[in-house]
Parts: sequence; structure tokens; C-alpha cells
Amino acid sequence: EPEVTQTPSHQVTQMGQEVILRCVPISNHLYFYWYRQILGQKVEFLVSFYNNEISEKSEIFDDQFSVERPDGSNFTLKIRSTKLEDSAMYFCASREDRGGVHGYTFGSGTRLTVV
Amino acid sequence: AQTVTQSQPEMSVQEAETVTLSCTYDTSENNYYLFWYKQPPSRQMILVIRQEAYKQQNATENRFSVNFQKAAKSFSLKISDSQLGDTAMYFCAFMKHVSAGNQFYFGTGTSLTVIP
Repeated sequence: EPEVTQTPSHQVTQMGQEVILRCVPISNHLYFYWYRQILGQKVEFLVSFYNNEISEKSEIFDDQFSVERPDGSNFTLKIRSTKLEDSAMYFCASREDRGGVHGYTFGSGTRLTVV
Repeated sequence: AQTVTQSQPEMSVQEAETVTLSCTYDTSENNYYLFWYKQPPSRQMILVIRQEAYKQQNATENRFSVNFQKAAKSFSLKISDSQLGDTAMYFCAFMKHVSAGNQFYFGTGTSLTVIP
């Protein structure tokens, strides 16, 4: 069964450093998403991406964050100047272009620890 | 704005017994989807079951079924014949029917423990 692949599974970074989280969506999917889950809390939407641009973003997704699809396969989330409160599980997701929820699939997540 | 409320932070059930997890939501939308996701200790998000709001019939997937009450904005999950592998965090989630972003709105989760 096709999977959304996220790397690394766990990343530790020092406060103030930049970090890039990588995702490889399912190959025929055209919509891409990032979600965040702070430990012990609910999963929260960060951003959606379609046709090489952001379609929606939440209040969490401020100027510290950016996304891009540099090579047509990877979908990345960059966090500039990380803060302690950025420590969380970050989930990538993708879905097909058939509308609705067809094929909406989450990756296994990247655990980011900011020290 | 859409909100999803899970009022049971923790629950437990004896193996082979039945348990029901509660979820309520608030929306002004008429067409939408509702979901239950399971998150085991590995923290992967696994789809358990999905319900389209326009369908009156409650969705079922093997041992999992829902009780969808649209007027009451209630969407509970029933797990029958509970198994040890059902131990996980369960999140209720909402999605608008038509949205360029198609984002999920998640509840705060219910931690379910199946007791041998």
C-alpha cells in the first residue's frame, strides 16, 4: 500500500537553529499538508499546499515557517530560528485530486526536539 | 469556526468487551466528513472509520461502528470485542466537504486502555 514517507523520524536541534523536515508524498497525490502535535495535545493543522503554492494556513504558520516542493517529489517544512515551543511531532499528509478525502494519508511523523 | 470536543480524556475496557468513545462537534456547515483516527504509541495516525454527513446510515468497519446523530452533532465510536491492540489514543476529527485546504479539525483525544 502506498505510503507517505517522512525523514528523519527524530531530529534534535539547538534553539535558534534552522531545521528542515522532509516528506515524500504518495506519487499521484497533488495536495499536501503539514500538521503539528505538541506532546499530550491534539493534532493541529499548519498548512496546505497545492499547485506549488499555499492554499490555506493556520495562525500557527507564521513567518518562522515555510514550505516548498523543490524537486517535484519532496515536500519540505522549514522552521527558521527554532524555539523550545516548536518541539512537537510533525505530520505530513497528502491526498489525491479527486476531491473530498480520497486517499488522504498521513506519514509516520517526525519528532522534533528543540534543546 | 469548527470545533471538536472529546469529553473523555481516558477510558479503559476489559478485553472482549464493548466500549463507546464520545465526540461532539460544532459547525455551521451542512456537508462535511467525520472521522475517527487511532494513534498507537508509535504515534502514527491510522484511520479507523469515516462518515459522510449526508449519509444517514452509520458507518461500520469490522469491530468498529459509529453512532452519528447529525441534529445533535454527535459522533461516537463503538469498539466491539475489544482487543489488546486497540490500546491507543483515539482522535475524533471533522473536515468540511468542500475546501481547497481540506484540513482536519481534531479533538483532544481519548486514551483507551484495553485490560487483559
